[in-house]
Amino acid sequence: AQSVTQLDSQVPVFEEAPVELRCNYSSSVSVYLFWYVQYPNQGLQLLLKYLSGSTLVKGINGFEAEFNKSQTSFHLRKPSVHISDTAEYFCAVSYHYGGSQGNLIFGKGTKLSVKP
Amino acid sequence: DAMVIQNPRYQVTQFGKPVTLSCSQTLNHNVMYWYQQKSSQAPKLLFHYYDKDFNNEADTPDNFQSRRPNTSFCFLDIRSPGLGDAAMYLCATSRPWTELNTEAFFGQGTRLTVV
Repeated sequence: AQSVTQLDSQVPVFEEAPVELRCNYSSSVSVYLFWYVQYPNQGLQLLLKYLSGSTLVKGINGFEAEFNKSQTSFHLRKPSVHISDTAEYFCAVSYHYGGSQGNLIFGKGTKLSVKP
Repeated sequence: DAMVIQNPRYQVTQFGKPVTLSCSQTLNHNVMYWYQQKSSQAPKLLFHYYDKDFNNEADTPDNFQSRRPNTSFCFLDIRSPGLGDAAMYLCATSRPWTELNTEAFFGQGTRLTVV
């Protein structure tokens, strides 16, 4: 069975500082990898995804993530955060097509708090 | 502009009183999903529809049902809500999942309170 671990439940950081949100997954089959962002009382918005190819993927709002197969990780990074990045971030995996459609398996989330 | 719309945004229901949450989409996507997100927990898939085909997750309680009368609408029915069912319920849609289509579009969610 697949599982997703987000090691940090909360990450406080000062504005303009770099940030890394960690995500590890376990799966016996190939998966797609995603990062979603959730602002307070809102739904989930896709930040970026890894399907295949280049292991460094760039997303919206200046975020990027690197897929590391040997470490089964997909950490999210941003070189300089803004107050507006304060939100909860979810890492997720899904099977490739032919499996269970787009059923996303989420980690428990990391709350990013950007302070002035 | 909204593509996946959930109503209501906030719902208060009494313990044991049936409640229905609504989701509509303007994307004409084949697949619609319902996720449950309890406080400080990961969103968890309850079930999904591929067109009219219903797919229940193995650990979804019988208390949770769903209806999809047409492509645009999907409903989540909770027959007898318990205090443990208080959560944010997220509806999402997607095209059939292939490498060319791997994005799920989420609504803003309905926060359910059980009193």
